[in-house]
Amino acid sequence: SAVISQKPSRDICQRGTSLTIQCQVDSQVTMMFWYRQQPGQSLTLIATANQGSEATYESGFVIDKFPISRPNLTFSTLTVSNMSPEDSSIYLCSAGDGGMNTEAFFGQGTRLTVV
Amino acid sequence: GDSVTQMEGPVTLSEEAFLTINCTYTATGYPSLFWYVQYPGEGLQLLLKATKADDKGSNKGFEATYRKETTSFHLEKGSVQVSDSAVYFCALSEINQGGKLIFGQGTELSVKP
Repeated sequence: SAVISQKPSRDICQRGTSLTIQCQVDSQVTMMFWYRQQPGQSLTLIATANQGSEATYESGFVIDKFPISRPNLTFSTLTVSNMSPEDSSIYLCSAGDGGMNTEAFFGQGTRLTVV
Repeated sequence: GDSVTQMEGPVTLSEEAFLTINCTYTATGYPSLFWYVQYPGEGLQLLLKATKADDKGSNKGFEATYRKETTSFHLEKGSVQVSDSAVYFCALSEINQGGKLIFGQGTELSVKP
């Protein structure tokens, strides 16, 4: 199994600013994903982070608001741009091996509050 | 598209009671099914999984059986403990999606002593 570390674990940010969340995996993984969990809600996939190319975004999420980088097979970042209080959520990174084993592992999440 | 539906919570039980959390799914392919648990203030942990019909996943006294005929994956535990209080998520992943998950709404479980 993969161990995933996310930084920061929580932050309180002013509206209009941006926050970059880092996700580090302890082994090379094929697939990395970013999810959002709004208060009291389930997890919604934001995008698939692709190594060496642009991320693949789900409906309702755009690159200008959630730019994602993935420079190698163990690291990814998600930026939440021009934040508003509606962006207050838990953001979770996950990783999978991309093969027949469809299991995914999760980081502890980043609890973001925008004031 | 694929989707997962869970019974609504919160569910409140007394310690040692029997637990069932219902989960049904719709999928175009032949997905793997998962239960994840989120303890207060923490991230998601995989609780159990099943990858084909009639498989039973089990862990920490929890069980779920992949029922293709009823498209269900209900979570059960014979005797819950206070420490089981958490939010439980049912999820699926298609076999060619590499771990990309579709989640149910989550069911909050509260176990009272």
